[in-house]
Amino acid sequence: DAGVTQSPTHLIKTRGQQVTLRCSPISGHKSVSWYQQVLGQGPQFIFQYYEKEERGRGNFPDRFSARQFPNYSSELNVNALLLGDSALYLCASSLASGNMAEQFFGPGTRLTVL
Amino acid sequence: GQNIDQPTEMTATEGAIVQINCTYQTSGFNGLFWYQQHAGEAPTFLSYNVLDGLEEKGRFSSFLSRSKGYSYLLLKELQMKDSASYLCAVRATLKAAGNKLTFGGGTRVLVKP
Repeated sequence: DAGVTQSPTHLIKTRGQQVTLRCSPISGHKSVSWYQQVLGQGPQFIFQYYEKEERGRGNFPDRFSARQFPNYSSELNVNALLLGDSALYLCASSLASGNMAEQFFGPGTRLTVL
Repeated sequence: GQNIDQPTEMTATEGAIVQINCTYQTSGFNGLFWYQQHAGEAPTFLSYNVLDGLEEKGRFSSFLSRSKGYSYLLLKELQMKDSASYLCAVRATLKAAGNKLTFGGGTRVLVKP
């Protein structure tokens, strides 16, 4: 069975541009969470979606938005990119929203903003 | 608020034991996770503690004391492939934050021959 998949693997953008990152959860998983990991730091929570509804939001500006589709895949959008948005963006899926379910991480999308 | 502290870096010798400590101060607690992350790769799940005590899984063990806000990950019989970052993460209360994990900065472990 395939694990969590993310696309693209790497991305280079310039300041002010917009970017869309994609995530497909493990088959059967209905919850998707997004994290930002700046080099040398731990991941920071951005969003969680469950059954297409936002269930949690981290301390990120409104330039960050996300959505979940009927097939439970998800997109993370970042507008008006800043240099500080350069990071590894991780998607994690789990069976449900708030139980003890383990989160499985995808390989991430490495975003570089020039 | 959430605050999770762990050492930045540790060095150990192949075959030895290393203990990575994690202290946390969180508004609500519903479990502590340890993840391993090799450079450039995704975090992979190692262990989960929600009750006090020791959880053992092969060469890796994890301990939790909720009253002290303290956990450790114990790596035994270190192998070169154990060189990686180890992330401590806390999940807040179920109703408040769903499945949100708050991570520490990670501890980079370097295993030397």
